[in-house]
Amino acid sequence: DAGITQSPRHKVTETGTPVTLRCHQTENHRYMYWYRQDPGHGLRLIHYSYGVKDTDKGEVSDGYSVSRSKTEDFLLTLESATSSQTSVYFCATGRGTNEKLFFGSGTQLSVL
Amino acid sequence: GQQLNQSPQSMFIQEGEDVSMNCTSSSIFNTWLWYKQDPGEGPVLLIALYKAGELTSNGRLTAQFGITRKDSFLNISASIPSDVGIYFCAGRPGSSNTGKLIFGQGTTLQVKP
Repeated sequence: DAGITQSPRHKVTETGTPVTLRCHQTENHRYMYWYRQDPGHGLRLIHYSYGVKDTDKGEVSDGYSVSRSKTEDFLLTLESATSSQTSVYFCATGRGTNEKLFFGSGTQLSVL
Repeated sequence: GQQLNQSPQSMFIQEGEDVSMNCTSSSIFNTWLWYKQDPGEGPVLLIALYKAGELTSNGRLTAQFGITRKDSFLNISASIPSDVGIYFCAGRPGSSNTGKLIFGQGTTLQVKP
């Protein structure tokens, strides 16, 4: 357990509104990731970070942005939420590029 | 993008039976990880594999890193009701230097007492 806290755990919002999800870790892991989970798709990578202020896109990054101003916090922002972004979002952290990933408990986001 | 094919998609078994599931890829992976997810929770790491041919156990669970580096297997022996959940394989591509994992679609396991 890497001491990962995601907030909020649940959120309902309306189409077109901005949404920010937060991931906080206490293990000083360098790498942080945002995944989304949808039925039939497993977990798909949205964005990741390899250090403070160092981020890059994953396979489903359209409509999302991220920021990492401190080692312990990784924020995921939906600038203008759409119904297709209804999903469960997971944050994960890892110590190095060949290390295990540890996951938070997820955020259930519903966009109406 | 790269994909992992995980099978079977679901299993419904009797308590005490053994379970096998596998993951295959068209490209080489450096690392294979197996996770279990309970409802409403994030995936929890079960076993990590780092070398081709590696066989690793964790209690009743055994996983193997395929010799071709394109597949991995997870076996659960003598299943019990608390084994219920979704099992995911995850692989780290050989070309990756970012640490990111690619996930299979998951195997949903149900155990009948």
